[in-house]
Amino acid sequence: AQKVTQAQTEISVVEKEDVTLDCVYETRDTTYYLFWYKQPPSGELVFLIRRNSFDEQNEISGRYSWNFQKSTSSFNFTITASQVVDSAVYFCALNRRGSTLGRLYFGRGTQLTVWP
Amino acid sequence: DVKVTQSSRYLVKRTGEKVFLECVQDMDHENMFWYRQDPGLGLRLIYFSYDVKMKEKGDIPEGYSVSREKKERFSLILESASTNQTSMYLCASRGQGGSYEQYFGPGTRLTVT
Repeated sequence: AQKVTQAQTEISVVEKEDVTLDCVYETRDTTYYLFWYKQPPSGELVFLIRRNSFDEQNEISGRYSWNFQKSTSSFNFTITASQVVDSAVYFCALNRRGSTLGRLYFGRGTQLTVWP
Repeated sequence: DVKVTQSSRYLVKRTGEKVFLECVQDMDHENMFWYRQDPGLGLRLIYFSYDVKMKEKGDIPEGYSVSREKKERFSLILESASTNQTSMYLCASRGQGGSYEQYFGPGTRLTVT
């Protein structure tokens, strides 16, 4: 069975602080994809990143970075120097690689609020 | 850019009404999905479809049905709306193979009174 846990329900920070959103996953598959999505107040989920299970390299994109560790089944997301526009709900998700149906298993999300 | 559109952003219906939520994607994607989102519960999969006229139940299909008569359109039907179906409904689509990310529509916030 696939399961994604985002233990942090809500996080509040002040602008320019760094913040890390945790994601822990469970799967018996050896090949899988992990994702992060952002849902701003407008409601539409926006794809941020995909990482496959064979690639444990950390990734950085501007102020965003992702730390994938298979040993701890974690795929954490860090925002550096947070901004008010980063306020959103963030979802971590898992997909079984090779699954043609592409079903995603989502965590419950973390509501991030960045105060000015 | 992939575009997924949903027929309404906000909808108010009465208990017992039949409700249709429409979703259209413009990228010729084979796979389409319907989720509902509730506070504290994240996104839960209701139904998905991998081809025209094909459908599979997700985790919470009770009280819902779906229709996919054309590749670009995937409809969610509430046969007899109930107050516990008040929720945000999100549609998504995804192509076959290659990258696996799903593309989401803006959502429909349905209130059943």
